[in-house]
Amino acid sequence: SAVISQKPSRDICQRGTSLTIQCQVDSQVTMMFWYRQQPGQSLTLIATANQGSEATYESGFVIDKFPISRPNLTFSTLTVSNMSPEDSSIYLCSATGANTEAFFGQGTRLTVV
Amino acid sequence: GENVEQHPSTLSVQEGDSAVIKCTYSDSASNYFPWYKQELGKRPQLIIDIRSNVGEKKDQRIAVTLNKTAKHFSLHITETQPEDSAVYFCAASKRQGAQKLVFGQGTRLTINP
Repeated sequence: SAVISQKPSRDICQRGTSLTIQCQVDSQVTMMFWYRQQPGQSLTLIATANQGSEATYESGFVIDKFPISRPNLTFSTLTVSNMSPEDSSIYLCSATGANTEAFFGQGTRLTVV
Repeated sequence: GENVEQHPSTLSVQEGDSAVIKCTYSDSASNYFPWYKQELGKRPQLIIDIRSNVGEKKDQRIAVTLNKTAKHFSLHITETQPEDSAVYFCAASKRQGAQKLVFGQGTRLTINP
């Protein structure tokens, strides 16, 4: 099974600033995703990180707010831009190989003050 | 797009009793249905999954059933133990490992000693 390392595990940020979250997988995977999870809520997909091309965003999420990179098969970043308190949440990276289960990083708990 | 509904939102059972969580999905093209367990402050972890060509799958105390005609699937936990207390999420996808997961709202399961 794949191991996903996500960092930082938590951060407290000032409003108006940006935070970049990194996700590293220990083996090659086909798909990488970024989710947001509000406390006590379900996982909401932000976007699919595509290797070498622009991410595919879900309804309600835009590239200017959540730019995503995936320069190779095992690494992706999510940036939360121009943060406001409403962006306070847990952000989760997920990865899956062909015909394998989806694994999750440990999450990044973001608090915007 | 796909929509996954999960019930109940909370469930409390006596230790040793059975617990059942139900999900319905909207997209008939979905054919992969995993269940994730998330303990407090931890990442979601796969506990069991089922594909559309199978009606039931069992792994020790955990089983999942799928009714493709009715578009619903259920998680069954027998002989519940305190360590089963967690939040459980169902999800649906069009293809394991190659398509995004859409999650249900989650069920907070509490096992009472």
